[in-house]
Amino acid sequence: DADVTQTPRNRITKTGKRIMLECSQTKGHDRMYWYRQDPGLGLRLIYYSFDVKDINKGEISDGYSVSRQAQAKFSLSLESAIPNQTALYFCATRGDYGYTFGSGTRLTVV
Amino acid sequence: AQKITQTQPGMFVQEKEAVTLDCTYDTSDPSYGLFWYKQPSSGEMIFLIYQGSYDQQNATEGRYSLNFQKARKSANLVISASQLGDSAMYFCAIGRNFGNEKLTFGTGTRLTIIP
Repeated sequence: DADVTQTPRNRITKTGKRIMLECSQTKGHDRMYWYRQDPGLGLRLIYYSFDVKDINKGEISDGYSVSRQAQAKFSLSLESAIPNQTALYFCATRGDYGYTFGSGTRLTVV
Repeated sequence: AQKITQTQPGMFVQEKEAVTLDCTYDTSDPSYGLFWYKQPSSGEMIFLIYQGSYDQQNATEGRYSLNFQKARKSANLVISASQLGDSAMYFCAIGRNFGNEKLTFGTGTRLTIIP
C-alpha cells in the first residue's frame, strides 16, 4: 500500500454539489497538507494541520474546509463546488526526512 | 514570505546530455530547505533531492545534483546523462526547517528529452 493514499483518484461533479476528498497515511506523521495544482501555477497550499487539534488556512482556503479525523486521516471538502475549483489536488505529509505526496485527485467541476 | 522563481517554462535536451534546471528563491528565514520534485505525465509528485540552507556541500542523489549558491539564492538542479524517462515537469520548492514548515512551489519547468 502507498504511504499516502488519496481517494478518489478522479472525480467529476456538478456545480453546487458538496464533495469530499480523502487522504490517509501510514507514515505516522503529525503534519499533513492539502495542495491544489493548476496548469502554470505550480502547487498552492489550501490547508495544513500539525495535529488533530491544529488546523490552519493556507494561501487559497476560500471555498474549502478540512477535517482531521485522526492522525492518519485528513479530508478536504468543497461545500459547493464551482468550475474554477477544477484542478489536481494533492495531500502530503511531512516527517523528519521530508515530504511525501499522495498520487493526487483529479477533480473536474462541470 | 517565501518565493520560488523558475524562469524556464520548457526545455528540450538531447538524450545523454546533462541538463540544468534553474531555480532562484527568496526568503527571510535563516534556516530553510530546498526541494526538487519530478512530476511525470501520470501526475504523481516524486521527491528527487533536498538541500538544507546550512549544508556545506551540494546535495547529490544518483544522477541528480543540486548546485546550491546561497549568496545568489539559487538552487539549480543538474541531471547528468539524461534519459527519455526524465521527460516530465520539475518543481523547485522551499520550506522552513522549523515552525511553520509548509512548502512554497515554483511554477515548474517542463523538460523534454529528445532521442
